[in-house]
Amino acid sequence: DAGVTQSPTHLIKTRGQQVTLRCSPKSGHDTVSWYQQALGQGPQFIFQYYEEEERQRGNFPDRFSGHQFPNYSSELNVNALWLGDSALYLCASSFSGSSYEQYFGPGTRLTVT
Amino acid sequence: KQEVTQIPAALSVPEGENLVLNCSFTDSAIYNLQWFRQDPGKGLTSLLLIQSSQREQTSGRLNASLDKSSGRSTLYIAASQPGDSATYLCAVFNAGGTSYGKLTFGQGTILTVHP
Repeated sequence: DAGVTQSPTHLIKTRGQQVTLRCSPKSGHDTVSWYQQALGQGPQFIFQYYEEEERQRGNFPDRFSGHQFPNYSSELNVNALWLGDSALYLCASSFSGSSYEQYFGPGTRLTVT
Repeated sequence: KQEVTQIPAALSVPEGENLVLNCSFTDSAIYNLQWFRQDPGKGLTSLLLIQSSQREQTSGRLNASLDKSSGRSTLYIAASQPGDSATYLCAVFNAGGTSYGKLTFGQGTILTVHP
């Protein structure tokens, strides 16, 4: 059973560009959450998707948007990139009918120059 | 608003020592608490999950306790090994309110175990 997978592993973008990150949840999971982790900090919640809808959102601007597909996979889109968007982006999946234990993917390292 | 604090920020110990990592949270209306391990530049590995109705969980050399009423959790690592060197993160999942649906993390404790 593959766990949570994310692509790409690393990404370098220029300020002002747009980026799309992808996540496939663990088999049997229906909920996907995205987190941003700056260097030396704990992860910060961006948003959560369930049944293809954004269910909760953290304190992030509208430049951050997402989508969940019928197969439960998810995308995170960031428009008009800032230097401050450089971080490790983590995807976590869980099953809504259980203990809400969250399983994390390996992350995508985004560098904005 | 839920806030999570971890103490100490960094810890360096010789191999074989028993050690305790501390986590505190401000809103006791939590659904569960998870301890994670993170190696440099990598994702998070779940170590232990404690439901709000539980007092502790054990896995091998790891034992986590939860005192919901006082807003505290501890992670006990027995007989530490160099392979335990990593950042340890505590996170709480709230049962309701504005924090519902998300994990709120502490800043982490950077653990170094030297031979």
